[in-house]
Amino acid sequence: AQTVTQSQPEMSVQEAETVTLSCTYDTSENNYYLFWYKQPPSRQMILVIRQEAYKQQNATENRFSVNFQKAAKSFSLKISDSQLGDTAMYFCATGTASKLTFGTGTRLQVTL
Amino acid sequence: SQTIHQWPATLVQPVGSPLSLECTVEGTSNPNLYWYRQAAGRGLQLLFYSVGIGQISSEVPQNLSASRPQDRQFILSSKKLLLSDSGFYLCAWSVVGGNQPQHFGDGTRLSIL
Repeated sequence: AQTVTQSQPEMSVQEAETVTLSCTYDTSENNYYLFWYKQPPSRQMILVIRQEAYKQQNATENRFSVNFQKAAKSFSLKISDSQLGDTAMYFCATGTASKLTFGTGTRLQVTL
Repeated sequence: SQTIHQWPATLVQPVGSPLSLECTVEGTSNPNLYWYRQAAGRGLQLLFYSVGIGQISSEVPQNLSASRPQDRQFILSSKKLLLSDSGFYLCAWSVVGGNQPQHFGDGTRLSIL
C-alpha cells in the first residue's frame, strides 16, 4: 500500500517569487515514480513534473523543480518566478505498475 | 498525438436514476484506462482501472461499475445513483508498461438531486 501526505492545504506566493510545496510519501515498493500534477480552476489535471525513484538527480522542467529525498521519502515541488497562471491545486502522487496514489492537494494562490 | 475525450462535462441526475459516463482515447493502442472520483476539496480516489478489453479492476466497493467494450473506450455506469455518488469524475490513460504518467480528460461534474 502507498500513502501520500501533503501537509499544506493552502499556500500563497507573490508573483515572481519562489514557493515550495511539500509532499511526503510511504511505499514498500523499490521501483516507483513520483509525480506532481496541477489542477487549475478549469479542473483539468495537468502533469507538471515526474521523478524516477532510482534517479538521484532532481527533475527540472523550466520553472518547476523537485527536491527528492529518497531516504526521507520526501518529494517537494519548487516553483520559481511564480506567475498568475500557476494558481491551481497541486497534487503529489506516487505509483507503481501504472497505479497512482494521490495526496489531498495544496491550493496555491499567486498574488500580485 | 494522443487525446482523451470525456463526456458529458456536466450532468444532473435524480437519486435512483441510471448513469453512463463515457471516455475514449485516440492516438494510442492498448492503453491502461482509469476512472477517478474527486470529492469537493479532496484528492483523487481511484475507482477502476483496466489493462485491456474486458479487464476491469475495482479499487473500492461501491455503487458504480466500469466496462471496457473496446480497446480505447472506458465506461462508468450505475444502475441506481445515490446522493453520495455526487462528485467530479475523471478518466485517464497511460502507456502500458513501466511507471508512466497518466493523462487526464477534462472531467464530468455529476450532481445528484
